[in-house]
Amino acid sequence: AQRVTQPEKLLSVFKGAPVELKCNYSYSGSPELFWYVQYSRQRLQLLLRHISRESIKGFTADLNKGETSFHLKKPFAQEEDSAMYYCALSARSWGKLQFGAGTQVVVTP
Amino acid sequence: GAVVSQHPSWVICKSGTSVKIECRSLDFQATTMFWYRQFPKQSLMLMATSNEGSKATYEQGVEKDKFLINHASLTLSTLTVTSAHPEDSSFYICSARGSRGTEAFFGQGTRLTVV
Repeated sequence: AQRVTQPEKLLSVFKGAPVELKCNYSYSGSPELFWYVQYSRQRLQLLLRHISRESIKGFTADLNKGETSFHLKKPFAQEEDSAMYYCALSARSWGKLQFGAGTQVVVTP
Repeated sequence: GAVVSQHPSWVICKSGTSVKIECRSLDFQATTMFWYRQFPKQSLMLMATSNEGSKATYEQGVEKDKFLINHASLTLSTLTVTSAHPEDSSFYICSARGSRGTEAFFGQGTRLTVV
């Protein structure tokens, strides 16, 4: 069975500090991994997709197949990064998504 | 990105009544739409996948007679919660994508409260 685990419900960091959101997954094949972000009162939107290997808003995420992880990192957190972050897995390209429980990030000045 | 709109954004209904939630793709043709449910402080759980012109595929444990999904056109899918009860109160979110292998975009969600 596929599963996405985000162990931290809440991460509170100071502005300018590094932030890392953990995501581990279990899946027998080669899934697609995503990070989605939901800012206050806004809809869910795509932040990163592991295949694209881009850096969006300073965030990066590397897929580690050995550790089955897809942690999200940013070296210097900004106040506007405060949001809910969801790690998600899809068995096929842009297929239905299995979401993790989400991590609330609060960046304080 | 493309725009997906849900209507209504929130609805309150009496127990035993039915309520319909619409999901529209405004600037693209959505061949596939996904319906999710989100309980307070919990993650999104996929309820069903619908392809235009076909019957929806429901996830295990989701009552298809309770949650009727119709995807009759390339820009509109509807979720009808039939004979709603307080335990159906939740946040319902749709996402829509164009052709297979393209990004799915999310609606803003619909808050359903059954009293």
